[in-house]
Amino acid sequence: EAGVTQFPSHSVIEKGQTVTLRCDPISGHDNLYWYRRVMGKEIKFLLHFVKESKQDESGMPNNRFLAERTGGTYSTLKVQPAELEDSGVYFCASSQEGLQPLHFGNGTRLTVT
Amino acid sequence: AQKITQTQPGMFVQEKEAVTLDCTYDTSDPSYGLFWYKQPSSGEMIFLIYQGSYDQQNATEGRYSLNFQKARKSANLVISASQLGDSAMYFCAMRALLRKYIFGTGTRLKVLA
Repeated sequence: EAGVTQFPSHSVIEKGQTVTLRCDPISGHDNLYWYRRVMGKEIKFLLHFVKESKQDESGMPNNRFLAERTGGTYSTLKVQPAELEDSGVYFCASSQEGLQPLHFGNGTRLTVT
Repeated sequence: AQKITQTQPGMFVQEKEAVTLDCTYDTSDPSYGLFWYKQPSSGEMIFLIYQGSYDQQNATEGRYSLNFQKARKSANLVISASQLGDSAMYFCAMRALLRKYIFGTGTRLKVLA
């Protein structure tokens, strides 16, 4: 089966610009998560979708971040307008129901200059 | 509140030796899963091993084993016969049912030739 794919792998944008990250989960995985790792620090939860619904978005830092999962398939994470502190690696992961392991994408490295 | 703690920011081990990476957790939920992930320098997150809270035996996957001590709330990863390719960042993670996955701060392992 195909793994979790993320696009782009790298993005360099200027402060104030907009960036949209995309994640395609493993087919059949209803659970989709976004995480962020900043400058080698902890892996921080952003939000969790179950199918197309936001189950938990408590980790979204502010209203500059918008996540969607139309039709319960792929997801997008938009940052608008980007700030310097948004730089980091954004991981998407998907899982089946229950206490199943997360399957991660390779991440998108975002650099805001 | 749920919490994962990895107290070793960095570890060294001689090639072919065994190494233990520490992980302690805190949760009041009776049903939960514990996971270990490996992040090599290339950046991807690789699932290694899973332990369920009700599992009677410690999980093993090849050279990886999980030393699960429920009363102490610890879930240490043991890597036997270390190889140079084991050099990476290792993350402990936990999920209780209906909750998000949370991660520790990671341990950077360096295998010495």
